[in-house]
Amino acid sequence: EAQVTQNPRYLITVTGKKLTVTCSQNMNHEYMSWYRQDPGLGLRQIYYSMNVEVTDKGDVPEGYKVSRKEKRNFPLILESPSPNQTSLYFCASSPRGTGGFSEQYFGPGTRLTVT
Amino acid sequence: DQQVKQNSPSLSVQEGRISILNCDYTNSMFDYFLWYKKYPAEGPTFLISISSIKDKNEDGRFTVFLNKSAKHLSLHIVPSQPGDSAVYFCAAKRGGGSQGNLIFGKGTKLSVKP
Repeated sequence: EAQVTQNPRYLITVTGKKLTVTCSQNMNHEYMSWYRQDPGLGLRQIYYSMNVEVTDKGDVPEGYKVSRKEKRNFPLILESPSPNQTSLYFCASSPRGTGGFSEQYFGPGTRLTVT
Repeated sequence: DQQVKQNSPSLSVQEGRISILNCDYTNSMFDYFLWYKKYPAEGPTFLISISSIKDKNEDGRFTVFLNKSAKHLSLHIVPSQPGDSAVYFCAAKRGGGSQGNLIFGKGTKLSVKP
Protein backbone atom coordinates (compact mmCIF):
# COMPACT_ATOMS: atom_id res chain seq x y z
CA GLU A 1 0.00 0.00 0.00
CA ALA A 2 1.33 3.41 -1.00
CA GLN A 3 1.71 5.49 2.11
CA VAL A 4 3.59 8.01 4.20
CA THR A 5 4.37 6.77 7.70
CA GLN A 6 5.41 8.76 10.73
CA ASN A 7 6.77 7.60 14.09
CA PRO A 8 5.96 8.06 16.81
CA ARG A 9 2.30 9.04 16.50
CA TYR A 10 2.25 10.51 19.99
CA LEU A 11 5.14 11.83 22.07
CA ILE A 12 5.34 13.65 25.38
CA THR A 13 8.78 14.96 26.27
CA VAL A 14 10.50 17.56 28.40
CA THR A 15 12.16 20.81 27.43
CA GLY A 16 15.66 20.38 26.05
CA LYS A 17 15.60 16.64 25.43
CA LYS A 18 16.56 16.00 21.82
CA LEU A 19 14.07 14.05 19.75
CA THR A 20 13.58 12.81 16.22
CA VAL A 21 10.32 12.21 14.41
CA THR A 22 10.78 9.83 11.52
CA CYS A 23 9.00 10.01 8.18
CA SER A 24 9.14 7.41 5.46
CA GLN A 25 7.38 7.06 2.11
CA ASN A 26 7.25 4.02 -0.17
CA MET A 27 6.18 5.79 -3.36
CA ASN A 28 9.64 6.79 -4.62
CA HIS A 29 8.67 10.46 -4.36
CA GLU A 30 11.31 13.12 -4.87
CA TYR A 31 9.70 15.80 -2.73
CA MET A 32 9.11 15.62 1.00
CA SER A 33 7.94 18.25 3.49
CA TRP A 34 7.24 18.79 7.16
CA TYR A 35 4.33 20.88 8.44
CA ARG A 36 2.99 21.78 11.83
CA GLN A 37 -0.67 22.39 12.54
CA ASP A 38 -1.72 24.68 15.35
CA PRO A 39 -5.21 25.87 16.35
CA GLY A 40 -6.15 29.02 14.49
CA LEU A 41 -2.99 28.91 12.39
CA GLY A 42 -3.65 26.08 9.96
CA LEU A 43 -0.77 24.19 8.39
CA ARG A 44 2.63 25.87 8.26
CA GLN A 45 5.59 24.46 6.40
CA ILE A 46 8.75 23.83 8.44
CA TYR A 47 11.20 22.40 5.92
CA TYR A 48 11.02 20.71 2.56
CA SER A 49 13.31 18.64 0.38
CA MET A 50 13.29 18.53 -3.38
CA ASN A 51 15.53 15.48 -3.56
CA VAL A 52 18.25 13.56 -1.73
CA GLU A 53 20.69 15.91 -0.01
CA VAL A 54 18.60 18.95 -1.04
CA THR A 55 16.66 20.66 1.75
CA ASP A 56 15.28 24.15 2.22
CA LYS A 57 13.52 26.18 4.87
CA GLY A 58 9.79 26.65 4.87
CA ASP A 59 7.96 29.36 6.73
CA VAL A 60 8.69 28.30 10.34
CA PRO A 61 12.09 26.52 10.41
CA GLU A 62 13.41 27.91 13.71
CA GLY A 63 14.20 25.20 16.24
CA TYR A 64 14.09 22.35 13.71
CA LYS A 65 16.56 20.43 11.60
CA VAL A 66 16.03 17.91 8.81
CA SER A 67 18.14 15.59 6.72
CA ARG A 68 17.55 13.73 3.48
CA LYS A 69 20.22 11.09 3.16
CA GLU A 70 18.01 8.70 1.24
CA LYS A 71 14.98 9.19 -0.92
CA ARG A 72 12.41 7.45 1.26
CA ASN A 73 13.25 9.05 4.63
CA PHE A 74 12.98 12.63 5.87
CA PRO A 75 13.42 12.82 9.66
CA LEU A 76 12.54 15.94 11.64
CA ILE A 77 14.97 16.70 14.46
CA LEU A 78 14.32 18.92 17.46
CA GLU A 79 17.72 19.45 19.08
CA SER A 80 16.36 21.26 22.14
CA PRO A 81 12.56 21.15 22.18
CA SER A 82 10.64 23.96 23.85
CA PRO A 83 6.97 24.18 24.88
CA ASN A 84 6.16 26.39 21.87
CA GLN A 85 6.95 23.38 19.68
CA THR A 86 3.99 21.52 21.13
CA SER A 87 1.98 20.86 17.99
CA LEU A 88 0.60 18.34 15.52
CA TYR A 89 3.22 17.52 12.89
CA PHE A 90 2.62 16.19 9.40
CA CYS A 91 5.05 14.79 6.90
CA ALA A 92 4.13 14.88 3.21
CA SER A 93 5.59 13.68 -0.07
CA SER A 94 4.90 14.19 -3.74
CA PRO A 95 6.29 12.96 -7.04
CA ARG A 96 7.81 15.23 -9.59
CA GLY A 97 4.76 15.77 -11.78
CA THR A 98 4.56 16.65 -15.44
CA GLY A 99 4.38 20.41 -15.74
CA GLY A 100 6.32 20.70 -12.51
CA PHE A 101 3.74 20.05 -9.84
CA SER A 102 1.83 17.27 -8.14
CA GLU A 103 -0.32 17.18 -5.06
CA GLN A 104 1.21 16.12 -1.75
CA TYR A 105 0.39 12.96 0.16
CA PHE A 106 0.30 13.36 3.91
CA GLY A 107 1.20 11.04 6.76
CA PRO A 108 -1.17 10.46 9.69
CA GLY A 109 0.44 13.03 11.97
CA THR A 110 2.56 13.08 15.14
CA ARG A 111 1.18 14.83 18.19
CA LEU A 112 4.08 16.25 20.19
CA THR A 113 3.78 17.72 23.68
CA VAL A 114 6.79 19.46 25.22
CA THR A 115 6.49 20.18 28.95
CA ASP B 1 1.28 38.38 6.74
CA GLN B 2 -1.23 35.73 5.82
CA GLN B 3 -0.99 35.02 2.10
CA VAL B 4 -3.82 32.49 1.92
CA LYS B 5 -6.96 33.35 3.86
CA GLN B 6 -10.00 31.31 4.69
CA ASN B 7 -12.17 33.78 6.52
CA SER B 8 -14.91 31.38 7.57
CA PRO B 9 -13.75 29.06 10.35
CA SER B 10 -16.89 26.97 10.02
CA LEU B 11 -19.82 26.28 7.72
CA SER B 12 -22.98 24.26 8.30
CA VAL B 13 -25.03 22.91 5.39
CA GLN B 14 -28.01 20.61 5.02
CA GLU B 15 -27.47 17.29 3.26
CA GLY B 16 -28.24 17.54 -0.45
CA ARG B 17 -27.62 21.29 -0.64
CA ILE B 18 -24.57 23.06 -2.03
CA SER B 19 -21.52 23.79 0.14
CA ILE B 20 -19.39 26.76 -0.91
CA LEU B 21 -16.02 27.21 0.75
CA ASN B 22 -14.08 30.37 0.02
CA CYS B 23 -10.41 31.26 -0.08
CA ASP B 24 -8.61 34.54 -0.80
CA TYR B 25 -4.95 35.06 -1.55
CA THR B 26 -2.66 38.03 -1.75
CA ASN B 27 0.36 36.84 -3.73
CA SER B 28 -0.08 37.17 -7.49
CA MET B 29 2.91 34.85 -7.98
CA PHE B 30 0.93 31.80 -6.89
CA ASP B 31 0.53 29.56 -9.92
CA TYR B 32 -1.33 26.55 -8.53
CA PHE B 33 -4.11 26.17 -6.00
CA LEU B 34 -5.29 23.08 -4.17
CA TRP B 35 -7.97 21.98 -1.76
CA TYR B 36 -7.29 19.39 0.91
CA LYS B 37 -9.76 17.67 3.18
CA LYS B 38 -8.90 16.57 6.70
CA TYR B 39 -10.75 14.24 9.02
CA PRO B 40 -9.90 14.16 12.75
CA ALA B 41 -6.87 12.01 13.62
CA GLU B 42 -5.86 11.70 9.97
CA GLY B 43 -3.52 13.57 7.65
CA PRO B 44 -4.94 15.90 5.00
CA THR B 45 -5.92 14.27 1.72
CA PHE B 46 -5.82 15.94 -1.65
CA LEU B 47 -9.22 16.81 -3.09
CA ILE B 48 -8.92 18.96 -6.20
CA SER B 49 -6.58 21.52 -7.75
CA ILE B 50 -6.54 24.26 -10.35
CA SER B 51 -3.81 25.91 -12.33
CA SER B 52 -3.73 29.69 -12.45
CA ILE B 53 -4.26 29.56 -16.19
CA LYS B 54 -7.72 28.08 -15.70
CA ASP B 55 -10.85 29.43 -14.10
CA LYS B 56 -12.69 26.20 -13.35
CA ASN B 57 -11.92 22.58 -12.62
CA GLU B 58 -14.50 19.92 -11.95
CA ASP B 59 -14.23 16.44 -10.44
CA GLY B 60 -17.50 14.71 -9.70
CA ARG B 61 -19.34 16.58 -6.96
CA PHE B 62 -16.42 18.97 -6.45
CA THR B 63 -15.76 22.09 -8.53
CA VAL B 64 -13.13 24.72 -7.89
CA PHE B 65 -13.52 28.20 -9.35
CA LEU B 66 -10.66 30.67 -9.66
CA ASN B 67 -11.09 34.42 -10.09
CA LYS B 68 -7.59 35.78 -10.61
CA SER B 69 -8.58 39.41 -10.81
CA ALA B 70 -10.22 39.14 -7.39
CA LYS B 71 -7.54 36.76 -6.06
CA HIS B 72 -10.31 34.49 -4.93
CA LEU B 73 -11.10 30.81 -5.27
CA SER B 74 -14.01 28.75 -4.10
CA LEU B 75 -14.81 25.09 -3.70
CA HIS B 76 -18.34 23.97 -4.49
CA ILE B 77 -19.62 20.63 -3.27
CA VAL B 78 -22.94 19.56 -4.69
CA PRO B 79 -24.84 17.71 -3.46
CA SER B 80 -23.30 17.80 0.03
CA GLN B 81 -23.19 14.54 1.96
CA PRO B 82 -22.67 13.86 5.68
CA GLY B 83 -19.36 12.17 4.81
CA ASP B 84 -18.12 15.52 3.50
CA SER B 85 -18.02 16.81 7.08
CA ALA B 86 -14.35 17.65 7.62
CA VAL B 87 -11.91 20.55 7.74
CA TYR B 88 -11.07 21.91 4.29
CA PHE B 89 -7.76 23.62 3.65
CA CYS B 90 -7.04 25.86 0.71
CA ALA B 91 -3.38 25.86 -0.38
CA ALA B 92 -1.32 27.73 -2.93
CA LYS B 93 2.01 27.06 -4.56
CA ARG B 94 4.51 29.78 -5.25
CA GLY B 95 5.67 29.96 -8.85
CA GLY B 96 9.21 29.40 -10.02
CA GLY B 97 9.35 25.62 -9.83
CA SER B 98 9.52 25.31 -6.06
CA GLN B 99 7.12 22.41 -5.90
CA GLY B 100 7.57 21.70 -2.22
CA ASN B 101 6.62 25.12 -0.98
CA LEU B 102 2.87 25.17 -0.32
CA ILE B 103 1.13 27.90 1.67
CA PHE B 104 -2.00 26.78 3.50
CA GLY B 105 -4.99 28.68 4.81
CA LYS B 106 -6.26 28.14 8.34
CA GLY B 107 -9.04 25.83 7.24
CA THR B 108 -12.85 25.82 7.26
CA LYS B 109 -14.74 23.21 9.21
CA LEU B 110 -17.69 21.95 7.17
CA SER B 111 -20.58 20.22 8.89
CA VAL B 112 -23.18 18.54 6.68
CA LYS B 113 -26.33 17.75 8.61
CA PRO B 114 -28.54 14.80 7.60
